[in-house]
This record gives sequence, structure tokens and C-alpha cells, in this order.
Amino acid sequence: DVKVTQSSRYLVKRTGEKVFLECVQDMDHENMFWYRQDPGLGLRLIYFSYDVKMKEKGDIPEGYSVSREKKERFSLILESASTNQTSMYLCASRQDGNQPQHFGDGTRLSIL
Amino acid sequence: KNQVEQSPQSLIILEGKNCTLQCNYTVSPFSNLRWYKQDTGRGPVSLTIMTFSENTKSNGRYTATLDADTKQSSLHITASQLSDSASYICVVKMGGSYIPTFGRGTSLIVHP
Repeated sequence: DVKVTQSSRYLVKRTGEKVFLECVQDMDHENMFWYRQDPGLGLRLIYFSYDVKMKEKGDIPEGYSVSREKKERFSLILESASTNQTSMYLCASRQDGNQPQHFGDGTRLSIL
Repeated sequence: KNQVEQSPQSLIILEGKNCTLQCNYTVSPFSNLRWYKQDTGRGPVSLTIMTFSENTKSNGRYTATLDADTKQSSLHITASQLSDSASYICVVKMGGSYIPTFGRGTSLIVHP
């Protein structure tokens, strides 16, 4: 079974901090994604990586950056956290466009 | 603009009853449509995939339909169980694109 692991289930940070969210998948998948999920808005794509060191902006990349130095790991970085970045963050991976995405269980991030 | 609209936004039913969730999309060109189930506190999990040539597909008590002409899909749940309480998300992939388009989900609550 595919396993996507997010480093923290809950995280509390202060405004202005640099925040790192880590995601690791164990199935050698090519594609990895970062989403945020807010009530009433559904999942919104922040960034997408189709291969190591490759990335593409999603719908809401402002205030975020990503890093994919190794195939199994995709990191989301909040350069200077703000209160409007309080949200549930979900990571996903998939082998290719015809395969389902496999999601982690999310990180609930609170910025105070 | 490619969009995926789901209805109803939320639904409450009694255990043992059937229900149908709707998904309308404007994504073009169409590649495939997936239904995901997201339990509270967990990441979404793929239930079924529909391609252009498929009209109906079942996965246990879940049956998905697709009308590619009217760009509508439905997810029918038979003999609901308490464990069906979850958010159901419709996701449509456009041909030639890495990035799928997510609906905002239908929140289903099954009462005993």
C-alpha cells in the first residue's frame, strides 16, 4: 500500500516565522502535490512537482515555496507565516496522470 | 474557466437509506473523473474513476455514473452505513494537463 507521511499532524507557529512542512512518499511516485483545505473552499493547489527539482505553481502559490531535492520528499515552505495561512495542509503523490492521488492525513497549521 | 460544481453542499440521511450526490463540470477536454471519500481528520481516498467511455461503475455499495454529453456525474450510495459519514469530492482531470480540478465536496452525515 502507498504511504504518504506528513511530518506533523498539528503545528502552531507565530506570525513572521519561517515554517517547513515535510511530506514523504514510499512508492517512488513521480508527481507530488501540496494543497490547502479550508471550510467551504475545498482543496486548492499550492504547488505541484512532476519530477525531482521540478515545480509548478498551482492556484494559490503566493507566500509559499517548495523544495524537491529527492524523489520521495516534497517540502512546503512558508517564508514568513501570516495568520491567513492558518489552514489544513494536505500532501499527495501519484505515479502519473492516469493514477489516483494518494494523500497524507494532513497537517493542521495554526499561525498566531 | 474549468470548474467542478457539487451538490448538495451537505446532506443528512438515516442509516439504511440511499442517497445520490451530484457533480457537474465544465472541464474540457475531458480525460477522467474520480470520486474521493474523505473521512474526518484523514486525507481523501479514491473510490472510483470514470473515463469517457464508461457510463457506470460500482465499488461495493457505491455506484458512479457519468454522462459525458451533459458533463454530469453522480455517486449513488446504497443502504447507507454510519461509516459512510464523510466528505465526497469530485475531481476532474483535463486531457493534456497534469493538474486535476477539484469540486468543493459534499458533506454526508448518516444518523442512526
